[in-house]
Amino acid sequence: QVQLVESGGGLVKPGGSLRLSCAASGFTFSDSYMNWIRQAPGKGLEWVSYISSSGSSIHYADSVKGRFTISRDNAKNSLYLQMNSLRAEDTAVYYCVREYCSSTSCPFDYWGQGTLVTVSS
Amino acid sequence: DIQMTQSPSSLSASVGDRVTITCRASQSISNHLNWYHQKPGKAPKLLIYAASSLQSGVPSRFSGSGSGTEFSLTISSLQPEDFATYYCQQSYSTPRTFGQGTKVEIK
Repeated sequence: QVQLVESGGGLVKPGGSLRLSCAASGFTFSDSYMNWIRQAPGKGLEWVSYISSSGSSIHYADSVKGRFTISRDNAKNSLYLQMNSLRAEDTAVYYCVREYCSSTSCPFDYWGQGTLVTVSS
Repeated sequence: DIQMTQSPSSLSASVGDRVTITCRASQSISNHLNWYHQKPGKAPKLLIYAASSLQSGVPSRFSGSGSGTEFSLTISSLQPEDFATYYCQQSYSTPRTFGQGTKVEIK
């Protein structure tokens, strides 16, 4: 069955760095568009970053541009998010999410369980 | 960026009720609209994609409609497991954006 398992979350001080990982299984990762989506405590969902199947196309939310870097290793079926210059407002559960595009829409069809990142002194 | 606005922000309903949630986009997104629900402590789950297509495994009491800027999600007969927060999301353009959520609570 499909599994997306995030790791790497934790407590970090403002200005610090953290690297999230996501291990994928149960589907063809190398053919899949992947995203990171976050949810601050008690808040709604915020898209963070996108990477195409080959890694040649990457997009970021304005709120993280220049601080976060998304990457992938198709040989290891893994997705990553390098987070630098972390701020209190980056505190959230971070989800690893597959985006499946058809001719009519591109829904987020597979979600990991999430990993909590807390930025606090 | 395309803004997504849901209404209501919350609602109280009873088991068996028909419930409708609406979602409005700040510009036309054709039918590139998806619906999710999320239970406390869990990841969101895809219910409806392309405005009206039911995701595999999702009960038929869920349905979606709309195009352009106005969309709706209907639950024909609310079940105990449907009490959750519902989100719409546009996949017409980047950045992908979500509505603020509609919390469906037990009356």
